[in-house]
Amino acid sequence: QKEVEQNSGPLSVPEGAIASLNCTYSDRGSQSFFWYRQYSGKSPELIMFIYSNGDKEDGRFTAQLNKASQYVSLLIRDSQPSDSATYLCAPGGQGNLIFGKGTKLSVKP
Amino acid sequence: NAGVTQTPKFRILKIGQSMTLQCTQDMNHNYMYWYRQDPGMGLKLIYYSVGAGITDKGEVPNGYNVSRSTTEDFPLRLELAAPSQTSVYFCASSYRAGDYNEQFFGPGTRLTVL
Repeated sequence: QKEVEQNSGPLSVPEGAIASLNCTYSDRGSQSFFWYRQYSGKSPELIMFIYSNGDKEDGRFTAQLNKASQYVSLLIRDSQPSDSATYLCAPGGQGNLIFGKGTKLSVKP
Repeated sequence: NAGVTQTPKFRILKIGQSMTLQCTQDMNHNYMYWYRQDPGMGLKLIYYSVGAGITDKGEVPNGYNVSRSTTEDFPLRLELAAPSQTSVYFCASSYRAGDYNEQFFGPGTRLTVL
């Protein structure tokens, strides 16, 4: 059974800082990962997809994947109050997505 | 495109009542999913479908039923509502399965069972 672990937070960072969100997973067969953002009272939306080891950058967001360590992270540079949300990690692969419980991020002005 | 739509947005049920949560997508996705999300928790998969006429259980299927007669629609049925089914229910769809199965979510249905 796949398991996904995330620090539930809340993680509080000042505006303009770097927010670092982490996710570990149990299934060594997972080759891809998704990061979803969920605002309070809203549905999840995809913000990052990563397939290969290393870094993937998209604007202020950088995903880092280390398959050997079974670890994936999401860095948010120049954090804005609009980034305040819960971030869910989910490994892809055969079968269906198993989501982590999410990390709640709060960016203080 | 409307994407994934869900009805109703909110519902209060009494214990023992039944209801159907509706889900429709207009993206011609083969894969559809139902999740529940309890407060402060992640998403738990209830049922999923890989195409019209094909459904399978997820992690928490007890107390629920689904059907998939068309590509567009994937209703979720609660037969005998219990307080433990109080949750927010999300329907999702994806074009692919496996490593590239980006899911698109509906706005959710908030269900309370009293």
